Amino acid sequence: SQKIEQNSEALNIQEGKTATLTCNYTNYSPAYLQWYRQDPGRGPVFLLLIRENEKEKRKERLKVTFDTTLKQSLFHITASQPADSATYLCALAPISGGYNKLIFGAGTRLAVHP
Amino acid sequence: DVKVTQSSRYLVKRTGEKVFLECVQDMDHENMFWYRQDPGLGLRLIYFSYDVKMKEKGDIPEGYSVSREKKERFSLILESASTNQTSMYLCASSDLAGGETQYFGPGTRLLVL
Repeated sequence: SQKIEQNSEALNIQEGKTATLTCNYTNYSPAYLQWYRQDPGRGPVFLLLIRENEKEKRKERLKVTFDTTLKQSLFHITASQPADSATYLCALAPISGGYNKLIFGAGTRLAVHP
Repeated sequence: DVKVTQSSRYLVKRTGEKVFLECVQDMDHENMFWYRQDPGLGLRLIYFSYDVKMKEKGDIPEGYSVSREKKERFSLILESASTNQTSMYLCASSDLAGGETQYFGPGTRLLVL
């Protein structure tokens, strides 16, 4: 069956450390993968997109890697701050999806402690 | 800035009621989407629309219908609300041309009693 999985347990880290979140998928052929941030009671906000032929993307303190052999994307936040505390969603766009359909993971909650 | 607005932040309805959730986007986007979000399940696509009066079923369309009479507005209709439709409902839009990014509204938390 097709699945997109994120670690359901919350990730707790100390301020200043690097947070690494994982997104694994099975039985999909992705055209690209996205990461979104969601704060409590709010809609998700787009952060980064990485295509299937790209290995790594960076934006300020954020870095995303994409390994289509391992069927995995890693999302890193360097020099983390308490303001980075939120739920992070990965979303995959299957090649067959059309109309920019996305398949979302359930999200991982990140808590950054001062 | 893209703005997607939803008609209500919170709604309480009774079983069997007809429920309308409205979504409006101000960026002239062709694509619009309705999702529901439940703990541990992530966002699941209910319906999407790629043009006025055009719609396609998502992964969980049962018990829902949609309407898109104008480009900027996409409505989700629960014909006869049931308790298992208690959820957070999120609307999103995206541009056809550079359409990978989806822009979300703030969500409507619906409670069906």
